[in-house]
Amino acid sequence: TQLLEQSPQFLSIQEGENLTVYCNSSSVFSSLQWYRQEPGEGPVLLVTVVTGGEVKKLKRLTFQFGDARKDSSLHITAAQPGDTGLYLCAGGSWGKFQFGAGTQVVVTP
Amino acid sequence: DTGVSQDPRHKITKRGQNVTFRCDPISEHNRLYWYRQTLGQGPEFLTYFQNEAQLEKSRLLSDRFSAERPKGSFSTLEIQRTEQGDSAMYLCASSSKRRDSQFLPNTGELFFGEGSRLTVL
Repeated sequence: TQLLEQSPQFLSIQEGENLTVYCNSSSVFSSLQWYRQEPGEGPVLLVTVVTGGEVKKLKRLTFQFGDARKDSSLHITAAQPGDTGLYLCAGGSWGKFQFGAGTQVVVTP
Repeated sequence: DTGVSQDPRHKITKRGQNVTFRCDPISEHNRLYWYRQTLGQGPEFLTYFQNEAQLEKSRLLSDRFSAERPKGSFSTLEIQRTEQGDSAMYLCASSSKRRDSQFLPNTGELFFGEGSRLTVL
């Protein structure tokens, strides 16, 4: 059973559009991480958020951690085909993470 | 290449056979993790080691699953008497307990390998 729920499950957009994916839980997490996974590869860490209300930016990606540390969002501005992938959120500590099922993002030229 | 490597990348076996996967972590990392990922799901934590000590194994899926890290370097994950439900991607990851300027010490960045895909016929 996944304690982290991600939505939507699938998102298909055109290049240049914006998108937001969500990660929600009924549990409080000391930290949340976002990973991106491409087919046949392992997940790659994008960011870690640890403070309630925290906002982090990574180029065109903006990550937010909810005030209660139960939810997080990832916003991509002006998406590019290279942003295509499975976006996973993970909560926990010291590598013993609970992962969500992920949001599959497809950006078409 | 100093990333996490896993072998084999793909394994097809018949039900009832034993299989073993190997993981070589990043050399300076003292923590090693095994996860399982099935289609349409995120990775599921199985077990982890700090050096050679297995600190958590309660999440191993059954007593058919076992993992070792005898010298605190590479690790193996063995599945005995495989079942069709064992078909999945088995991911290995490593991390360092060393404090990173970007992360607080209780978070840890996981570096994943490319995974070993198991198909049980």
